[in-house]
Amino acid sequence: GESVGLHLPTLSVQEGDNSIINCAYSNSASDYFIWYKQESGKGPQFIIDIRSNMDKRQGQRVTVLLNKTVKHLSLQIAATQPGDSAVYFCAATIYNQGGKLIFGQGTELSVKP
Amino acid sequence: DTGVSQDPRHKITKRGQNVTFRCDPISEHNRLYWYRQTLGQGPEFLTYFQNEAQLEKSRLLSDRFSAERPKGSFSTLEIQRTEQGDSAMYLCASSLEGLAGGDSYNEQFFGPGTRLTVL
Repeated sequence: GESVGLHLPTLSVQEGDNSIINCAYSNSASDYFIWYKQESGKGPQFIIDIRSNMDKRQGQRVTVLLNKTVKHLSLQIAATQPGDSAVYFCAATIYNQGGKLIFGQGTELSVKP
Repeated sequence: DTGVSQDPRHKITKRGQNVTFRCDPISEHNRLYWYRQTLGQGPEFLTYFQNEAQLEKSRLLSDRFSAERPKGSFSTLEIQRTEQGDSAMYLCASSLEGLAGGDSYNEQFFGPGTRLTVL
């Protein structure tokens, strides 16, 4: 079945630096990917998504890159701020199979002031 | 606040008791999902509804679990004869299937979750 994994369980960066969080997925049929941010005691919060017909998508301070050849995606956060400290999850889905999300284990991002 | 609400936020129960959780999705959303999240892990899919129809159930959903969405609006998740292994955060998400236009589709908005502790 589908599995989604992240390369690092924790990431510590200095405030103002750029952060890169990586994720790998196993099912080549996955066609939609989402990055979520989860703060302690809260539900996952949507950050950015990307469809499989794209390889890059930019939001405000965030960029998602998708490499379908190696089944890898990454989340880049520019000018990381203390408020970015949280656990970040990537999730993959096959849209026409109901949209259920398969989540990775998460990377905990700590931002040092 | 995403607009998805869950009740209760916390539930402590003794092993063997039944518990029921409620999720109120964003009002116009036709899809509703239940996930379970244990400490340090990503959410795991349990089941989802399109309107009132339950279209898929994970193998994680044992016979002790039942979910309903009787009028295609709010949903309930019941766990019968709770076990300590049921302790987790139960998350609800909703989405609007077939969002027309735009770059996003099936964006799932999550509620705050119900944290269940089985003693």
